[in-house]
Amino acid sequence: DSGVTQTPKHLITATGQRVTLRCSPRSGDLSVYWYQQSLDQGLQFLIQYYNGEERAKGNILERFSAQQFPDLHSELNLSSLELGDSALYFCASSVDVGEQYFGPGTRLTVT
Amino acid sequence: GENVEQHPSTLSVQEGDSAVIKCTYSDSASNYFPWYKQELGKRPQLIIDIRSNVGEKKDQRIAVTLNKTAKHFSLHITETQPEDSAVYFCAAPPGGATNKLIFGTGTLLAVQP
Repeated sequence: DSGVTQTPKHLITATGQRVTLRCSPRSGDLSVYWYQQSLDQGLQFLIQYYNGEERAKGNILERFSAQQFPDLHSELNLSSLELGDSALYFCASSVDVGEQYFGPGTRLTVT
Repeated sequence: GENVEQHPSTLSVQEGDSAVIKCTYSDSASNYFPWYKQELGKRPQLIIDIRSNVGEKKDQRIAVTLNKTAKHFSLHITETQPEDSAVYFCAAPPGGATNKLIFGTGTLLAVQP
């Protein structure tokens, strides 16, 4: 157990819908990262927050957004879902630079 | 641009043999190189990492070597066991204030008993 928690574990929804994925970092970690893992794209960085502020953006679609709250948990919002958004979404956390620890992931299936 | 190449994509070894996975990164400002192990359906798990001020780091049967000049780093697993079977990912952060990780494409390691 890495200490990073994610909910829900599984999510099945229809195209065009909107979902919210939730992540709680390890105690003491200020940085939260979101990654998408699909069969054809591998592990792709989406976005990073540090202590409530956006620090870096990767190949995140405009339909996706995220935020980090004062208690440091983070949410990833995915809207206007398409079949191609089906993937595993991982959250990771770190103190600042250095080791990142991954949560168990949320498996999103868009039908 | 930011890029991490990883080879081979699949690797099959006999139990007890050694396995080596190699990665090349593009950003010379990268200074931290982790390796993750991912079993089917589970989270990537950090197994070892190395920083740019050292050339080699070892932890029991696992070692990582770094050649900053060539921008190469490698994972070495000795005395492989069936439980080592998994997908292994290398990663590197680009330079700058962020610690985001750019991942290699993964190596599926199969250890045959």
